Amino acid sequence: AQSVSQHNHHVILSEAASLELGCNYSYGGTVNLFWYVQYPGQHLQLLLKYFSGDPLVKGIKGFEAEFIKSKFSFNLRKPSVQWSDTAEYFCAVNVRGGGYNKLIFGAGTRLAVHP
Amino acid sequence: EAGVAQSPRYKIIEKRQSVAFWCNPISGHATLYWYQQILGQGPKLLIQFQNNGVVDDSQLPKDRFSAERLKGVDSTLKIQPAKLEDSAVYLCASSLSRDQPQHFGDGTRLSIL
Repeated sequence: AQSVSQHNHHVILSEAASLELGCNYSYGGTVNLFWYVQYPGQHLQLLLKYFSGDPLVKGIKGFEAEFIKSKFSFNLRKPSVQWSDTAEYFCAVNVRGGGYNKLIFGAGTRLAVHP
Repeated sequence: EAGVAQSPRYKIIEKRQSVAFWCNPISGHATLYWYQQILGQGPKLLIQFQNNGVVDDSQLPKDRFSAERLKGVDSTLKIQPAKLEDSAVYLCASSLSRDQPQHFGDGTRLSIL
């Protein structure tokens, strides 16, 4: 069965530290890849997406992610986090094929950034 | 643009009671989704509509859950009767088409006593 694994459930960083959140998926077919973010008290918002082309994609607020097909990974990075990045981050994979089209989420990583 | 609207924001009921949630997607979005998010987990797709037709309800517990999208716009999700394990946040999302990014509503937090 298709699944998405996020390596860390909780991450605590100080401001200006670098961030990398891991995401791996299990599906051998065509995929589109997403990172969603949920700030406290807000709804899920799209951070960035990969459909095709350059495997290094840039999103809002200085975030980027790299798709490594051979590793089935789509890790999220930010060189220097801010207190306002405190949120929960979800990796999601859209699996498609034979009329099947579904978005599968990881369990999420809760990031706390301390001033 | 206006986002995905959901109501109510919170609902508390006793087990075996029934409950309904409402969703109004972004105007023009053909695809509508209902997700269940249990505490500590990511959202799990319950049902997906393309206009007013169901395209995927494979993870919907059909003995107690039902959903409809009459006229291809608003949608309702119903649980009857509710069980303790149904306590979760129910998210509605919409997208222009099935391949496009989904836009989420604020969700309905359901607590079963």
